[in-house]
Amino acid sequence: EVQLVQSGAEAKKPGESLKISCKGSGYTFTRYWIGWVRQMPGKGLEWMGIIYPGDSDTKYSPPFQGQVTISVEKSINTAYLQWSSLKASDIGMYYCARGRVAASPDAFDFWGQGTMVTVSS
Amino acid sequence: DIQMTQSPSSLSASVGDRVTITCRASQGISIYLAWYQQRPGQVPKLLIYASAILHSGVPSRFSGSGSGTDFTLTITSLQPEDVATYFCQHYDTAPFTFGPGTKVDLK
Repeated sequence: EVQLVQSGAEAKKPGESLKISCKGSGYTFTRYWIGWVRQMPGKGLEWMGIIYPGDSDTKYSPPFQGQVTISVEKSINTAYLQWSSLKASDIGMYYCARGRVAASPDAFDFWGQGTMVTVSS
Repeated sequence: DIQMTQSPSSLSASVGDRVTITCRASQGISIYLAWYQQRPGQVPKLLIYASAILHSGVPSRFSGSGSGTDFTLTITSLQPEDVATYFCQHYDTAPFTFGPGTKVDLK
């Protein structure tokens, strides 16, 4: 059974760093793109970027380029989303999701449960 | 980058009604279009990919159509469990942007 399990909710202060995780299981992790999606409270879905665990090829959406870093650790089937300096506007639910087709960026067929990030002084 | 729009932004319909949601891409995306359902408080779920192919386990009352720039999601007979927000997403060329969503509730 394909599963993506994300790390727990985080409450941080502006300026702090943060790294959240997404662990895949039930499939060959290195063969499927993993993406990150933000959902701010009461708002829609925002595609942040994707990474191919096989070679760490990464694509970012322009609003998030330079603001976050997407990475993977293949040995533990885990993808990461990290911030070096959080802003209050980074508040939201962050989902990881798997691309549907092996080795090809595609629609997301399996989603993690989401990680809520709160940023407040 | 390709921009996605949806209409309407919200709608109210009765159980058994036919519901149609439209999604438009700012440039041609062939059939690289997916639809997702997000029920209140839940994780988004893939409904349709490649414009018209139902994802595994999705009820047959859902259907999709379109190519190029104009796409449609249809629910042939609305059920109470279909109350949700529906998002389209293209996956032609990164970034794979989502539409703003269409909220469906019961009249």
